Amino acid sequence: KAGVTQTPRYLIKTRGQQVTLSCSPISGHRSVSWYQQTPGQGLQFLFEYFSETQRNKGNFPGRFSGRQFSNSRSEMNVSTLELGDSALYLCASSFRQGAGDTQYFGPGTRLTVL
Amino acid sequence: DAKTTQPTSMDCAEGRAANLPCNHSTISGNEYVYWYRQIHSQGPQYIIHGLKNNETNEMASLIITEDRKSSTLILPHATLRDTAVYYCIVRVYGQNFVFGPGTRLSVLP
Repeated sequence: KAGVTQTPRYLIKTRGQQVTLSCSPISGHRSVSWYQQTPGQGLQFLFEYFSETQRNKGNFPGRFSGRQFSNSRSEMNVSTLELGDSALYLCASSFRQGAGDTQYFGPGTRLTVL
Repeated sequence: DAKTTQPTSMDCAEGRAANLPCNHSTISGNEYVYWYRQIHSQGPQYIIHGLKNNETNEMASLIITEDRKSSTLILPHATLRDTAVYYCIVRVYGQNFVFGPGTRLSVLP
């Protein structure tokens, strides 16, 4: 079974631009979560989608948004990019939503904001 | 904030068992203990998880104390490829994973 895939793997943008990142979960998985990883803050939860609905949201500004499609694929969007948005953005999928369910991570998208 | 406490770093000789401790003294009855690892700049890799009982899979063993306030991840025969940051996470029901800084394990030849 193929793992979680994320595109693109690397991205360079300039301040003020917007960016869209894509995540394809493991086949059959319906929950997709997004995380941001920076050297200073570590791995931080952005949001989770399950059955096309946002179920949980982390403490990030409204510039960060996401959506999930009927095939469980997910996109996240960051508008008005800031230098501090440079990070590794990770997507994780799980079969369902719950404390005992395991999340499997993709390789991440490395975003650099200049 | 993360609900776990882990040593910042540990060393282990290649071929020996690596025992990574984790303290989670405020864990609730329905919270699972998860272990992930992250090799430099890659996505975190799932290792193992458990609720109350000890668990073993092809990668590692998880030993949870009877009071569930701490656990130990055991890599039975560490190799150089096991060098990574290891995260111990207590998953709050209905919430997503909260990652702490983890333990940086260095496997030495």
